[in-house]
Amino acid sequence: DTGVSQNPRHKITKRGQNVTFRCDPISEHNRLYWYRQTLGQGPEFLTYFQNEAQLEKSRLLSDRFSAERPKGSFSTLEIQRTEQGDSAMYLCASSSSGTGSVYTFGSGTRLTVV
Amino acid sequence: RKEVEQDPGPFNVPEGATVAFNCTYSNSASQSFFWYRQDCRKEPKLLMSVYSSGNEDGRFTAQLNRASQYISLLIRDSKLSDSATYLCVVNGVGAGTASKLTFGTGTRLQVTL
Repeated sequence: DTGVSQNPRHKITKRGQNVTFRCDPISEHNRLYWYRQTLGQGPEFLTYFQNEAQLEKSRLLSDRFSAERPKGSFSTLEIQRTEQGDSAMYLCASSSSGTGSVYTFGSGTRLTVV
Repeated sequence: RKEVEQDPGPFNVPEGATVAFNCTYSNSASQSFFWYRQDCRKEPKLLMSVYSSGNEDGRFTAQLNRASQYISLLIRDSKLSDSATYLCVVNGVGAGTASKLTFGTGTRLQVTL
């Protein structure tokens, strides 16, 4: 499978717990994006990497959120001290410099905070 | 004002109908425009790019009006399988953000028999 892979597909956690999601982009893609989507809304930008450098971070991303892409390949998104308002679909997408605005999305990780 | 605005719908149309979706964007310096399709509980997938001269892909026609900052999508001869949410998407502007996409809330289409 050469698409964007996200794990886990679903995560249910108790409020206050930490969670970590993983994204494996298409191998030739040097750009990686995290978005969050809630019901009835379009995806909202969270953060963006070009290779291992985190180039932009949304104001939506509180200090409880951190993302890494240590070797410029896979990325992780961690949420500390989860809140019910963090319940959403977390989408990862990748693109290449050559086709920068054409994204391929992963299937997402659906987070439910109870 | 939202960066990308769409009528959320739903649009309920019979099979075979023609339906049009509209979208406005706030940043006049935006350069790239797209329509993405999202099925229920699935990830968004690129439907088509939108070019200044307008472009067509089968039953789908996209138009861009830069002066009015307005994008449209026309679907002719609607099929049941066209039922989905259609997301209007605009690229970011500014250093480091040129490839960052901003999504509208989406317009839901339901095609019925």
